[in-house]
Amino acid sequence: AQSVSQHNHHVILSEAASLELGCNYSYGGTVNLFWYVQYPGQHLQLLLKYFSGDPLVKGIKGFEAEFIKSKFSFNLRKPSVQWSDTAEYFCAVNANSGTYKYIFGTGTRLKVLA
Amino acid sequence: GAGVSQSPSNKVTEKGKDVELRCDPISGHTALYWYRQSLGQGLEFLIYFQGNSAPDKSGLPSDRFSAERTGGSVSTLTIQRTQQEDSAVYLCASSPLAAETQYFGPGTRLLVL
Repeated sequence: AQSVSQHNHHVILSEAASLELGCNYSYGGTVNLFWYVQYPGQHLQLLLKYFSGDPLVKGIKGFEAEFIKSKFSFNLRKPSVQWSDTAEYFCAVNANSGTYKYIFGTGTRLKVLA
Repeated sequence: GAGVSQSPSNKVTEKGKDVELRCDPISGHTALYWYRQSLGQGLEFLIYFQGNSAPDKSGLPSDRFSAERTGGSVSTLTIQRTQQEDSAVYLCASSPLAAETQYFGPGTRLLVL
């Protein structure tokens, strides 16, 4: 069965620190990859997505993610976090195989200390 | 335009009662998804609609769960004979086309006593 693993459940960083959140998936075919973010008290919203092309994708608020097919990974990065990045981050995978089911990871709670 | 809306925002019910959760997707979005988010868990896929039909119901946890979508718009998730383990946040999302970016609603927080 398809699955998505987010290895870090809770991350605490100081402002200006660099961030990398891991995401690995299990599916051998073509995939669409997403990172969603949920800020406190807000809806889940899209941070960035990868469908095809350049494996390094840039999203909102200075976030980027790199798709490494050989590692089945789609890690999220930001060079310098801000207090306002405090949120929960979810990686999601859609297997581009005729099914439109999305598999989400369990999420990573990021807390940025001012 | 308006985003995805869900009602009620909170629902407290007694074990054994039926509940209906409603989702109003963004106008024109053909795809609609229901998820369940339990404490400390990720989003658990429940069901997906393309128009009024549900090509994938594989995530519904039991036959107590059902969903329908009418007019290619509003969807209702029904849980019959609720159990305490049904307590969770139920999220709805819509997208213009399947496999595209999903737009999430605020969720319905269900508590079964």
